Parts: sequence; structure tokens; C-alpha cells
Amino acid sequence: DQQVKQNSPSLSVQEGRISILNCDYTNSMFDYFLWYKKYPAEGPTFLISISSIKDKNEDGRFTVFLNKSAKHLSLHIVPSQPGDSAVYFCAASAYYGNKLVFGAGTILRVKS
Amino acid sequence: GAGVSQSPSNKVTEKGKDVELRCDPISGHTALYWYRQSLGQGLEFLIYFQGNSAPDKSGLPSDRFSAERTGGSVSTLTIQRTQQEDSAVYLCASSGGRGRPQHFGDGTRLSIL
Repeated sequence: DQQVKQNSPSLSVQEGRISILNCDYTNSMFDYFLWYKKYPAEGPTFLISISSIKDKNEDGRFTVFLNKSAKHLSLHIVPSQPGDSAVYFCAASAYYGNKLVFGAGTILRVKS
Repeated sequence: GAGVSQSPSNKVTEKGKDVELRCDPISGHTALYWYRQSLGQGLEFLIYFQGNSAPDKSGLPSDRFSAERTGGSVSTLTIQRTQQEDSAVYLCASSGGRGRPQHFGDGTRLSIL
């Protein structure tokens, strides 16, 4: 039972354009959502998070949007840079449990 | 360094042996988590510590797996009588509390021959 789904295994974007990564979840108890970036042989690096009381959170080039009614969130990267090429994981937790449930990841390739 | 530190970074051992993996969390972080990523799989939760107690052990796959945390800091994950299916990258994360992001170490890559 996949509670967090990233349906696009990979995404290729031209440098300078917008990258949009999507994530869907099924558990209505989730109220905290995070995006991580991962390079090979390294641990996931925290990028940005959003709690369920918000529908948008922005940090520099990264913006996360949350649509609770659709149980959908997305990460926008503008402008995309070659150094953004990595695997991006969406994760979710229910406040009291706090353990993270991860999606399968999306490989982002930014072409220069 | 200021990040989560894990050791060893790589471990190769024979099937049936016991292994111990170590995690040093970020100083002051009260919450500590273990996850693993098997080949071709996503990150899978194993166990969560708040201080020295483990309120959630639901992800431990069998009784061969155990973990402890001492002094509210360092944690060790022990796998007894290792099996080939235990081969994975074991990741440790820590956070400053509920609603705070988890920060990960670089993991221990465990290979069982």
C-alpha cells in the first residue's frame, strides 16, 4: 500500500526553465510534507517543507504547493540549474507519529 | 562537523554474522530515526527514538534487528545473523522535534555475501 506516490520516474528540463515535480498521497492523517534531494552515495538533503495549514511555501528558487482536497503536492524549481540534477523524494508524516513515508523518487535531469 | 554522522560508511560481511551500525545525530536533536533503502526500493522506516526511548519500532523487519540509544545521543542499530536480504543502505536521521525536518546522514552501505 503506497501511501505516497511519485508517478513520474524521471523528468528532463532545459536549464533556466521551470521544473515541476509532483506527489500524491492517500493518508488523510498526513499533515506535514517535505521534499528531499539526493545525490548518489549521499544521504537525502532537506529542501523545503509545508504543513497542512498552508497551501504554499517558498524558499528561494524552490516553492512547494499543497492541495489538500486533491491530496496532491508539487515542487517548483525556478530557474532550474544543472546542479539541480538529482533524485527528488517527496515525504509525508502524521504529526504525532513523525516517521516519514517516502515516495519512490523522481530523477530530475537539467540540461545545459 | 555539524551534520548527522554514520559509521562505517561501508560494511561487507558474511551471511550469518552480526553487524553494528552507528549514528551520531546533530547535537541537541532529541528525535532520531533509522531508515533503509534496499536496491531499487524507496526509503523504508525502521525505528524512531525520542530521547532514549523508542515509541515506534513498527518498521523493524524481524527480531534479528534491534536498536538502542544512550545518553539521548548516539544510536546503534544491530542486525544479528545477517541474511542476504539485509543488504541495503541504512540511513540515520535526526530532528529537533515534531514538525521539524529530519536531517540525514550519508548512510552505511551494508553488503551481505
